[in-house]
Amino acid sequence: AQKITQTQPGMFVQEKEAVTLDCTYDTSDPSYGLFWYKQPSSGEMIFLIYQGSYDQQNATEGRYSLNFQKARKSANLVISASQLGDSAMYFCAMRDHGSSNTGKLIFGQGTTLQVKP
Amino acid sequence: ETGVTQTPRHLVMGMTNKKSLKCEQHLGHNAMYWYKQSAKKPLELMFVYNFKEQTENNSVPSRFSPECPNSSHLFLHLHTLQPEDSALYLCASSQADGTDTQYFGPGTRLTVL
Repeated sequence: AQKITQTQPGMFVQEKEAVTLDCTYDTSDPSYGLFWYKQPSSGEMIFLIYQGSYDQQNATEGRYSLNFQKARKSANLVISASQLGDSAMYFCAMRDHGSSNTGKLIFGQGTTLQVKP
Repeated sequence: ETGVTQTPRHLVMGMTNKKSLKCEQHLGHNAMYWYKQSAKKPLELMFVYNFKEQTENNSVPSRFSPECPNSSHLFLHLHTLQPEDSALYLCASSQADGTDTQYFGPGTRLTVL
């Protein structure tokens, strides 16, 4: 069965420093996608970055990069040069691309990040 | 309006009330989703619609009734809810049902008294 695990309930980072949020996953499907979303206190889930299982390079989007280690089944999010506005809940999610797929995303428990000034 | 919008943003209802949540996407997408986010639990997919047709019902109780009149609008009709149904209800859309990125609305925070 598919599973996403985020082992860090809460993280602190100093402003302007980099931080890594952990995510491990489990799936038997060779084709899958991994996503990171940010959820501020307002509630909206904001898409940050995507990594496909067959992508050769790690995904990057501005200050966000995804450290994809396929053999370890990990997809950690790295935020560089943290800003106060980065304080939020961060969710890792996975979707397999199997024949029975209906776009269902499986989410982890989330990690609360607090950026200190 | 841009992106995905949801109304109302907050809703308080009694167990005997009937209410509806509305979602509208302005992205030209063809698939729409309802998710439930309860405190201290991961997001749970409820329903998926692709080109107005329901393609997934994740064992959701019948007191939740979805409706998708067109690819841009999605409703969640609520009746005789329970206090444990209190949660944040998030709507999302994607280009097509399958491999595309889902974009979320701001959610409706529902409290059932």
